Amino acid sequence: AQSVTQPDIHITVSEGASLELRCNYSYGATPYLFWYVQSPGQGLQLLLKYFSGDTLVQGIKGFEAEFKRSQSSFNLRKPSVHWSDAAEYFCALTGGSYIPTFGRGTSLIVHP
Amino acid sequence: GAGVSQSPSNKVTEKGKDVELRCDPISGHTALYWYRQSLGQGLEFLIYFQGNSAPDKSGLPSDRFSAERTGGSVSTLTIQRTQQEDSAVYLCASSAPGGSYNEQFFGPGTRLTVL
Repeated sequence: AQSVTQPDIHITVSEGASLELRCNYSYGATPYLFWYVQSPGQGLQLLLKYFSGDTLVQGIKGFEAEFKRSQSSFNLRKPSVHWSDAAEYFCALTGGSYIPTFGRGTSLIVHP
Repeated sequence: GAGVSQSPSNKVTEKGKDVELRCDPISGHTALYWYRQSLGQGLEFLIYFQGNSAPDKSGLPSDRFSAERTGGSVSTLTIQRTQQEDSAVYLCASSAPGGSYNEQFFGPGTRLTVL
């Protein structure tokens, strides 16, 4: 069975500070991994995805994520957070199934 | 191009009534998904369509929930005899054919409130 764990329910950072959101997964082969962002009252929007090749993936809005097979992780990073980054972030995994498994989400709060 | 659209955006209903939620996926997207998101919770998978057939209905919480998709396009999620615990945001997503590495494109959701 596949699973995705986002250990942090809430993360609070100051504007301009760096950010790392954690995502750990469990899957028996190489997974396809995604990060989505959900602003209040909106649907989810894809930030980036990994499915092969370079383990450091660049996404939209200045985000990046690194796939680390040895640690079963796919952490999301941003060097300098903006107030507009305040949102809910979801890590997701697909493998052989078309049904993605989502983490429970991490709520990002940005202080001015 | 047009994204995934959902209607209505908000629905308030009385306990015991039936409701229909609609999803218009991106044209050409063969896969369509329904999720439920309760306040402060993650995404709960409900059902997945590939074309007009639903190979996986395992997430439907009870037999009061049903969904259909016609013409490989529009999908309707129906909740019969609504209960207060059905109150949530219902999200629809679609993805292009080709493989499970394709990302999902989400609609804005329908917020359902059962009084």
